[in-house]
Parts: sequence; structure tokens; C-alpha cells
Amino acid sequence: DIQMTQSPSSLSASVGDRVTITCQASQDINKFLNWYQEKPGKAPKLLIHAASNLETGVPSRFSGSGSGTNFFFTISSLQPEDIATYYCQQFDNVPFTFGPGTRVDI
Amino acid sequence: EVQLVESGGDLVQPGGSLRLSCAASGFIFSNYEMNWVRQAPGKGLEWVSYISRSGSPIYYADSVRGRFTISRDNAKNSVYLQMNSLRAEDTAVYYCVRDLRYSGSFDDWGQGTLVTVSS
Repeated sequence: DIQMTQSPSSLSASVGDRVTITCQASQDINKFLNWYQEKPGKAPKLLIHAASNLETGVPSRFSGSGSGTNFFFTISSLQPEDIATYYCQQFDNVPFTFGPGTRVDI
Repeated sequence: EVQLVESGGDLVQPGGSLRLSCAASGFIFSNYEMNWVRQAPGKGLEWVSYISRSGSPIYYADSVRGRFTISRDNAKNSVYLQMNSLRAEDTAVYYCVRDLRYSGSFDDWGQGTLVTVSS
């Protein structure tokens, strides 16, 4: 199984700050990686697909990069509504696996 | 508009069974692969099962293989999860999830249904 790790597990930043989350896969997954945002009581929302493609309607302050085993998720200017937990997930191989999540606070 | 509406979540005793349903609308259901993903209280996300457009192949997480069965009825635009031999660790919100672009890409999510396994 492909193991996904994320760092940090949580972070606290100020409004307007640049925030970066790292996701690492235990083996090469090419660009088969998604990023999700999860807010309490709501279903996860896909933000970035295939490592770097922004979903329609998602603010451009969100971005993703990387390939192979190392991936990055960035919020260029943190907003109050970005308080959430963010997950990476690989879909290169079954079982599809998620990272443990990164909780972002302000 | 794509809609995925789960139902069937309930309180069930350990060792019991439950069947979850997911009603899809807003797209041609038979053209898309479907999954179940769960989240235990206070925990992260865990993929549970996948079913292809035709119903084969099917995949399961090791944690549920042999106890859970995924199925679909393309005529009824629905996907199901039959859960047997339920354990306390199966307690979670179960989400019905559509793959739009790739197998396992989890593009669209339902609102979830809560399964609680407790005596």
C-alpha cells in the first residue's frame, strides 16, 4: 500500500500569510494526487486535482505542485474562511489512501 | 447539478448488519465509477470500496474486505454498501463519492450518513 504523510499536522497563521503544506508518498505516484478541504460538519471538497489543477470555482489563492513522491499545497494569502483541515490523497494505486490531514487555524 | 444523497445510516449493535444507499442525480450514472469513503469521529478519511461503471471490477480496503459488499443498480441510479459483521471501529460518517476524471479521483461527494456501532 502507498503511505501518505503530511506536514505539519497543524499550523496557526495570520490573515494574509502564505501557508504551505507538504505531502509525501511512499512511492512514485506521478501526479495522481488530489487536495481536499474539510470543514466541520461538511463533506470534503476537492480543491486541486492531479497535483496542480485548480477546481472550477476555487479561489486562485490555492495552488498545488509536485510530482513523484513530493507534493506541495499553498494558500498564498490566508483568509478567515480557509480555517479547515486539508488532506492529500493518492489515486495511483488501490487502496486509495489519504494523508493524515493538516489542520489550519488563524 | 450533481447530487449524491446517502441514506441508511443508523445505530446498530456489534455483529449486526446495515445497508447504505446512495441516490445519484444530475448526471448519467452508468458512465461513472463510484466509491464509499468513511470518516470515524475525530479521525481522518479512509477509502472503503470502489465499483466500476459496469459493476466489475470491485475493490475493498483490507479493513472491510469479506464483511462489506458494494453494488450498484444503473437503472435506479444508485450505489449500495451492504455492511455485515459490524464492529465498533466501523462507526463513521460514510460518504458516497463519484470519480469524474480518474479511478479514485473522488471528484464529487455526498453529504454523508452516520453509522454508529454500539451496544
